Amino acid sequence: QVQLQESGPGLVKPSDTLSLTCDVSSYSINTNNYWGWIRQSPGKGLEWIGYLTYSGGAYYNPSLEGRATMSLEKSNNQFSLKLSSVSAVDTAFYYCARWHHTNAFDLWGQGTLVTVSS
Amino acid sequence: EIVLTQSPGTLSLSPGERATLSCRASQSVSSDYLTWYQQKPGRAPRLLIYGASSRPTGIPHRFSGSGSGTDFTLTISRLEPEDFALYYCLQAVSSPLTFGGGTKVEIK
Repeated sequence: QVQLQESGPGLVKPSDTLSLTCDVSSYSINTNNYWGWIRQSPGKGLEWIGYLTYSGGAYYNPSLEGRATMSLEKSNNQFSLKLSSVSAVDTAFYYCARWHHTNAFDLWGQGTLVTVSS
Repeated sequence: EIVLTQSPGTLSLSPGERATLSCRASQSVSSDYLTWYQQKPGRAPRLLIYGASSRPTGIPHRFSGSGSGTDFTLTISRLEPEDFALYYCLQAVSSPLTFGGGTKVEIK
């Protein structure tokens, strides 16, 4: 059974860099899929952060103004997200997900809450 | 950026009733790139419908999607207790990918 699991610090200071990893089990990330990140501020809707192609190319939401960087870690079957210069508005649940060839996020991690606070 | 407007914001219905959720796009969206998700409190979203009308394996037949262009609909034919949740549409025809604001289906 394919599973995705996010990990990373739950608390980040303002102006620091948020770093999260998504561990993928029972499925190789080195296949013809994209791998994405989505976030959800507490009590709010969903926001697409971006996604990575299996070859390492990336597409980002312009609303993040160049602060997001995603990368594949094929040796560990993981992919990661870094978000720089965070502020309180970046406090959210962060989800990693698989982008399927049916043009859908078909598998999601359980999500991890990241709070930006001093 | 394509804006998706979901209506109503909240739908109050009883188990066994039919739910009709709307997702309207600010520009035309190819059906191939319109999906629906269900989210329960404290849980990650779950894919319900892809390609505007196709159900992934394991999704009950009471969930159906339809529509084209700028107007899409998710229908739950007969609400089961486990269907009371939040529902989101997503378009992926152009970047940035955007979600609708969601419709909450609550027990009346």
